[in-house]
Amino acid sequence: AQKITQTQPGMFVQEKEAVTLDCTYDTSDPSYGLFWYKQPSSGEMIFLIYQGSYDQQNATEGRYSLNFQKARKSANLVISASQLGDSAMYFCAMSLAAGGTSYGKLTFGQGTILTVHP
Amino acid sequence: EAEVAQSPRYKITEKSQAVAFWCDPISGHATLYWYRQILGQGPELLVQFQDESVVDDSQLPKDRFSAERLKGVDSTLKIQPAELGDSAMYLCASSLVASGDEQYFGPGTRLTVT
Repeated sequence: AQKITQTQPGMFVQEKEAVTLDCTYDTSDPSYGLFWYKQPSSGEMIFLIYQGSYDQQNATEGRYSLNFQKARKSANLVISASQLGDSAMYFCAMSLAAGGTSYGKLTFGQGTILTVHP
Repeated sequence: EAEVAQSPRYKITEKSQAVAFWCDPISGHATLYWYRQILGQGPELLVQFQDESVVDDSQLPKDRFSAERLKGVDSTLKIQPAELGDSAMYLCASSLVASGDEQYFGPGTRLTVT
């Protein structure tokens, strides 16, 4: 069974600074996807970035980048130039790609609360 | 921009009462997911549909929970009877196919059982 671990319950960052949110994963399946979602206090899950297990380059989406280290089974999210609106809960998640034993569903970590200070 | 719709957004019910949640996925999305998120934790899958068929309901408490997607479009999740431990956010998500593709989430239904 797959597992996602986020070891940072809370993180603080100064506005305009960069911050890294840690995520490690465990699966024996070679084909999987890694996701980061943002959940503001309103509750909606907002997709940020995706990394496929066979992707050679780290994914980037605007101010978000994913530091994918396959051998270490880590998929850390880097937010550059933090903004006050980035304050939220952040979840790392994994799904097995088509052909896996339980493909499609997302397995989430426990989340990291990010607080951006002015 | 297409969105996943859910209703109600908030629901307060008494223990032992029945409660139902509705989800309308993005048009054309064959795969629909219901997740439960207890406060302070990550969401956990309750049930996954591919069109009108259940693909995974291994974590659904079937003695009190039921889910259906009769025409392969919108879906209803029901709890009967509700228990105090059911207080949580219920999130619906959809994707084009059941793969490693992105899932789009609705706004959720926040349930409080008193």
